Amino acid sequence: GNSVTQMEGPVTLSEEAFLTINCTYTATGYPSLFWYVQYPGEGLQLLLKATKADDKGSNKGFEATYRKETTSFHLEKGSVQVSDSAVYFCALSDRAGGYNKLIFGAGTRLAVHP
Amino acid sequence: DGGITQSPKYLFRKEGQNVTLSCEQNLNHDAMYWYRQDPGQGLRLIYYSQIVNDFQKGDIAEGYSVSREKKESFPLTVTSAQKNPTAFYLCASSIGVGTQETQYFGPGTRLLVL
Repeated sequence: GNSVTQMEGPVTLSEEAFLTINCTYTATGYPSLFWYVQYPGEGLQLLLKATKADDKGSNKGFEATYRKETTSFHLEKGSVQVSDSAVYFCALSDRAGGYNKLIFGAGTRLAVHP
Repeated sequence: DGGITQSPKYLFRKEGQNVTLSCEQNLNHDAMYWYRQDPGQGLRLIYYSQIVNDFQKGDIAEGYSVSREKKESFPLTVTSAQKNPTAFYLCASSIGVGTQETQYFGPGTRLLVL
């Protein structure tokens, strides 16, 4: 079945460092891909998405490119801030059952220090 | 403000008790979803509903029940048959179709067993 694999955390960075969180997927067909962010004690917020190969999603300085050849959707940010500390989830849409189910990775915790 | 609300934020369940989690949205979205999140894991789908008066089981529906009598509301009941109910429960609703469908999440309800 379809699945998502994220790099294990925690990822610990200093402020203004470059961020990469790896995400690879296994899927039949052409799923849409998403990054969601979860701050402590809160629900998930959509960060960005891409719906087809070579699409680049971007938001708030974060970006990710849908790479079909490597089945990847890595999240990047050029300069992180303390406020970016959160758990980041990669997800794909699975429409095999006739409805849109999101399949999530396990999440990657990011901690940014001043 | 448009959005998804979940209540209560925290809920305590005694052994053998059924409890109901509320989810309301004023986004005019047709589809709604319930997910369960366990510590250090991604989300898993419990139930979903694409239209009023219709809902389907997700991957982990055992011990849960739902109703969809109104477009805006999709309550989840955790029954006494659910032997391990302690988790963070997230409701979502979606807009768009096919590859354009995007799910948006509420703030979540944390369920604890006394």
